[in-house]
Amino acid sequence: AQTVTQSQPEMSVQEAETVTLSCTYDTSESDYYLFWYKQPPSRQMILVIRQEAYKQQNATENRFSVNFQKAAKSFSLKISDSQLGDAAMYFCALTKRGGGSNYKLTFGKGTLLTVNP
Amino acid sequence: DTGVSQDPRHKITKRGQNVTFRCDPISEHNRLYWYRQTLGQGPEFLTYFQNEAQLEKSRLLSDRFSAERPKGSFSTLEIQRTEQGDSAMYLCASNPQGRATYNEQFFGPGTRLTVL
Repeated sequence: AQTVTQSQPEMSVQEAETVTLSCTYDTSESDYYLFWYKQPPSRQMILVIRQEAYKQQNATENRFSVNFQKAAKSFSLKISDSQLGDAAMYFCALTKRGGGSNYKLTFGKGTLLTVNP
Repeated sequence: DTGVSQDPRHKITKRGQNVTFRCDPISEHNRLYWYRQTLGQGPEFLTYFQNEAQLEKSRLLSDRFSAERPKGSFSTLEIQRTEQGDSAMYLCASNPQGRATYNEQFFGPGTRLTVL
């Protein structure tokens, strides 16, 4: 069984500042992917960033970066230079990497990010 | 736009009625997933198709739920004898086969079901 825990139901940040969203997970899989998805209000979920568990280097995508601590099973998302458009629900998610074809995602409960002008 | 589409976007029904939702995945994607998202929760996996074959169903998918994917293209999710507890957002996602995909799933906008 896989579990994903997001301990921050809500976070807020001032525009142009930096914010970090937390995520911890548990899995019996030896190899897996971790994702952060963004779900804006009334809009569809889009991928923000992904991390392959076998890679030690933390993933970065422009203003978004992760701090992946495999031993601690921690996967936090850092958003730098926050913009009003970053306001959304953010979900941490996990899926296996190999073995079979069903790569269903296990999601956390989400963190609602508010960006204040 | 060639993304995942879902229809309808909103559905209001009375308890006991049957409802059917449709999902059109990205055309070259052979894997299709249904998730349910209730208020304040993350999406939860319901079922998975590879082409036309339904390969896994969650325990969340009671006997009142049925999903199909004829010809491996669009998929339908039917709920019979709806209950108020079925009120949720139903999300469809798809992804292609292949190691380069990183197992990323592409989501549709969802169908929001309200059961009165």
